[in-house]
Amino acid sequence: AQRVTQPEKLLSVFKGAPVELKCNYSYSGSPELFWYVQYSRQRLQLLLRHISRESIKGFTADLNKGETSFHLKKPFAQEEDSAMYYCALTGGSYIPTFGRGTSLIVHP
Amino acid sequence: EPEVTQTPSHQVTQMGQEVILRCVPISNHLYFYWYRQILGQKVEFLVSFYNNEISEKSEIFDDQFSVERPDGSNFTLKIRSTKLEDSAMYFCASSFSPGTSGKDNEQFFGPGTRLTVL
Repeated sequence: AQRVTQPEKLLSVFKGAPVELKCNYSYSGSPELFWYVQYSRQRLQLLLRHISRESIKGFTADLNKGETSFHLKKPFAQEEDSAMYYCALTGGSYIPTFGRGTSLIVHP
Repeated sequence: EPEVTQTPSHQVTQMGQEVILRCVPISNHLYFYWYRQILGQKVEFLVSFYNNEISEKSEIFDDQFSVERPDGSNFTLKIRSTKLEDSAMYFCASSFSPGTSGKDNEQFFGPGTRLTVL
């Protein structure tokens, strides 16, 4: 069985502060990990995937197989980063298993 | 930029009634999905659909649920005899292909339909 855990329901930071949204997963095989974002009144959209090793909107995430983590990081948070962030995993199937989400609030 | 659309945005129904949630996927996409998110909980996969057939479904997707692509554009989720616990946001998504590598398999989500069962 595959599981994704996002331990924080809410993360509140000030503009310019570093951000780390935590994601831990459980899967016996080789997972693929994703971060999705949902801005206020907008649809869920893919932010980044670990296989792409890309930085999107200043966010990066590194898959740590030893710690079974895929934390999302940004060195300097911006107000427009305020949103719900969902970590997701696909294992043998292409169907993602989502975490429950973390609400990021960036204060001015 | 093409988008997945869903109607209605909010549906209120009485317990025991049937509802049909509608989705128009992106036009050249071939794979379609329904997800559900109960308030405060995680997004959960319900079903995927390809070539007019269900390709995968979760344990949530029992006989109460059905999906259909009645014409070339709509993709519907029918919930028979709704229960209070069916109250949730229902998201439709589509992708050009399945799998997890490459751009073509990215799932594009609709804005959701909020279903309230009274």
